[in-house]
Amino acid sequence: EVQLVESGGGLVQPGGSLRLSCAASGFTFSRHWMHWVRQAPGKRPVWVSRVNGDGSTTAYADSVKGRFTISRDNAKNTLYLQMNSLRADDAAVYYCVRGGEPTIDYWGQGTLVTVSS
Amino acid sequence: DIVMTQSPDSLAVSLGERATINCKSSQSVLYSSNNKNYLGWFQQRPGQPPKLLIYWASTRESGVPDRFSGSGSGTDFTLTISSLQAEDVAVYYCQQYYSTPQTFGQGTNLEIK
Repeated sequence: EVQLVESGGGLVQPGGSLRLSCAASGFTFSRHWMHWVRQAPGKRPVWVSRVNGDGSTTAYADSVKGRFTISRDNAKNTLYLQMNSLRADDAAVYYCVRGGEPTIDYWGQGTLVTVSS
Repeated sequence: DIVMTQSPDSLAVSLGERATINCKSSQSVLYSSNNKNYLGWFQQRPGQPPKLLIYWASTRESGVPDRFSGSGSGTDFTLTISSLQAEDVAVYYCQQYYSTPQTFGQGTNLEIK
């Protein structure tokens, strides 16, 4: 069974940093692209970033480019999202999502990020 | 970015009746080289993450009941639930994965009448 368990969310002040983690199990982690997708309360999901299987290729939404960094550790079956210079509009539930074929398929339960002073 | 627009925003349907949700993309998501529409549908029940229902506009994900069906091509798509069950109460999102960034519709809130 595919499992994705996010952690690392919490309350942070504007301008602060957080590092999200996602522990994956139930599939061959290194064979899949992995994504972060965020969703503010009552809003549509918004794609944030993706990384390929070996971590060599990444992509970001324009809204986070230069502030967020996606990475992975295939030995630990773990995906990361380093978030710097956080703003109020970054507040959301952040989901770790597996890249399936042909599109994203399994989602974790999410971790809540709150940005407030 | 491709903008996805759904209609209606909310929908109330009686149990056992048909529910229809529409989705329109701001540009075609049909890739001519393989004749496939890069369009998915997701279901999000209250307090849960989204769940993939349909990809390639009309292919059901494994385990999805056959009362769910998708249709359409190019820029106009439809998700149909043929006979509404209580567990289908959710918000439904269409999604395009034709180009980066992949984008989602604003959602349709489906309730029981």
